[in-house]
Amino acid sequence: NAGVTQTPKFQVLKTGQSMTLQCAQDMNHNSMYWYRQDPGMGLRLIYYSASEGTTDKGEVPNGYNVSRLNKREFSLRLESAAPSQTSVYFCAGGDRGINQYFGPGTRLLVL
Amino acid sequence: QKEVEQDPGPLSVPEGAIVSLNCTYSNSAFQYFMWYRQYSRKGPELLMYTYSSGNKEDGRFTAQVDKSSKYISLFIRDSQPSDSATYLCAMSASGGGADGLTFGKGTHLIIQP
Repeated sequence: NAGVTQTPKFQVLKTGQSMTLQCAQDMNHNSMYWYRQDPGMGLRLIYYSASEGTTDKGEVPNGYNVSRLNKREFSLRLESAAPSQTSVYFCAGGDRGINQYFGPGTRLLVL
Repeated sequence: QKEVEQDPGPLSVPEGAIVSLNCTYSNSAFQYFMWYRQYSRKGPELLMYTYSSGNKEDGRFTAQVDKSSKYISLFIRDSQPSDSATYLCAMSASGGGADGLTFGKGTHLIIQP
């Protein structure tokens, strides 16, 4: 039982490049979330998915797209990376909104 | 003004001390109040949650919510070096809903052996 897994752990991109961050959970949660964490800003919600087939914008969705591929997987895509998207990205799963189980994070550096 | 304010610290105290961590908020719709602990280079994990006002105790940890003052606290008794981490407060209006949480910036706590 791995909980929430994220790949890759670390990535360096050049401005304008695209990439997809992968997230998978084996806890059978209906809801999944993507957050970014920046120094001095805390965790901010990018997108969330209440159930398979649905997605909704969070606080900071600009520059990102998401796909809820199935109940287990929720991916985050950067179509044209910008230096402002340098951050640590966390995926989380949960069912009651209160206890969200976080993955280990992906550290992204955009040059 | 951000919805949730939290002093980022760092807060450094000697082992065995009582630690007080606090957050203030502006959104009166918040009903669920949570404390997450995050160790360096790890994801946050839920420590405690409280619904509405009141106190909740779990071992060495006590969470307090004062909705009239829009102020929440986490107390750690007999602090240990293993408590050194960043503590994030988080809040939600729905609790049982699927929308995300609103987090504070986190307080970096250091317990000196």
